[in-house]
Amino acid sequence: DQQVKQNSPSLSVQEGRISILNCDYTNSMFDYFLWYKKYPAEGPTFLISISSIKDKNEDGRFTVFLNKSAKHLSLHIVPSQPGDSAVYFCAASMEYGNKLVFGAGTILRVKS
Amino acid sequence: DGGITQSPKYLFRKEGQNVTLSCEQNLNHDAMYWYRQDPGQGLRLIYYSQIVNDFQKGDIAEGYSVSREKKESFPLTVTSAQKNPTAFYLCASSLRGNQPQHFGDGTRLSIL
Repeated sequence: DQQVKQNSPSLSVQEGRISILNCDYTNSMFDYFLWYKKYPAEGPTFLISISSIKDKNEDGRFTVFLNKSAKHLSLHIVPSQPGDSAVYFCAASMEYGNKLVFGAGTILRVKS
Repeated sequence: DGGITQSPKYLFRKEGQNVTLSCEQNLNHDAMYWYRQDPGQGLRLIYYSQIVNDFQKGDIAEGYSVSREKKESFPLTVTSAQKNPTAFYLCASSLRGNQPQHFGDGTRLSIL
């Protein structure tokens, strides 16, 4: 039973354009959501998070949007850069950081 | 530099052997976690510890054991009872509360 789903295995975007990565969840008890970026043979790197009391959080080129009624969150990267090419995981938690549940990841390729 | 160190980077195990994966952090984080990643899947939680001398099972604890004798160390033992141990293992840590988890660079375990 996948509680966190990233339905797009991969996404290809031109450099300078917007990348939009999507994530859906089924458990309405989740109250904290995170995005991680992962390069091959390395551990995930934390990008940005959002708590359920907000619907938007912005950090530089990265913005996360949360739609609680739809149980959907998205990560926007603007403008996309070739160095953004990586696997992006969304994760959710019921305990503000403990026991994260991860999606399967989306491979982002930014073409120059 | 503060961070999380996992060793070794690559590990090979013979059938029927126990192996121990090391995880050390100097971030002064209270909580530590072990995840497993399989191809095409997200990270799945094996064990976690919120404080020294205490730990809880995650979603896939069978065939694994941990200890938390020191705040900075959280070794994971993959026992012979784990029938499919080949995977990429990731250790993480976080401050207690609403803080994101930070990951090491992982250990890839293979069966000879």
